Amino acid sequence: EVQLVESGGGLVQPGRSLRLSCRGSGFTFGAYAMAWVRQAPGKGLDWVGFIRSKASGGAIEHAASVKGRFTISRDDSKSMAYLQMNSLKTEDTAVYYCTRETEGASGYWGQGTLVTVSS
Amino acid sequence: EIVLTQSPATLSLSPGERATLSCRASQSVSTYLAWYQQKPGQAPRLLMYDVTNRATGIPARFSGSGSGTDFTLTISSLEPEDFAVYYCQQRYNSGTFGQGTKVEIK
Repeated sequence: EVQLVESGGGLVQPGRSLRLSCRGSGFTFGAYAMAWVRQAPGKGLDWVGFIRSKASGGAIEHAASVKGRFTISRDDSKSMAYLQMNSLKTEDTAVYYCTRETEGASGYWGQGTLVTVSS
Repeated sequence: EIVLTQSPATLSLSPGERATLSCRASQSVSTYLAWYQQKPGQAPRLLMYDVTNRATGIPARFSGSGSGTDFTLTISSLEPEDFAVYYCQQRYNSGTFGQGTKVEIK
């Protein structure tokens, strides 16, 4: 069974940093692209970015709204994906989901981790 | 950035009725279009990918159509568990989502 478990969320002050982690299990982690999607309270889904598998070139894309502040990475030896978030703003407050790509879409989702940016 | 516009914002229907949800892209996304369903307090679930392909375990009452800039998700006969929010997403250029359509019980 495919499982994705996010961790690392919490309360952080504006301007500070936070790193989210996502552990995958039940599949060959390194064979799949991984993505991050967020959802602000009561709002819709917002694509953060993704990282391809190394076999597909390992390309990384970030949404324009987070480019230069957020960085996605992966460690296939640990079956982990990461979202490094710097210079956090109040508008980054959201539940952050880790997803596994399937046929170019987010086929599997974690339960999400809440990030609250507030002073 | 490609913008996806979903309509209507809310669809009020009764169980057994047909639901037709629209997603329009600001420029062509070819067939790189997916649909998701989200229920309160849950993570989204992939319904359709590449416009017409149902994800694993998705019942046949869900179908997708369209290409280029105009896409439709159809639920042929609404079941009680289908009342939820639906999002479209393009993966032609990055990965933007539409703002969602809520399908509510009339």
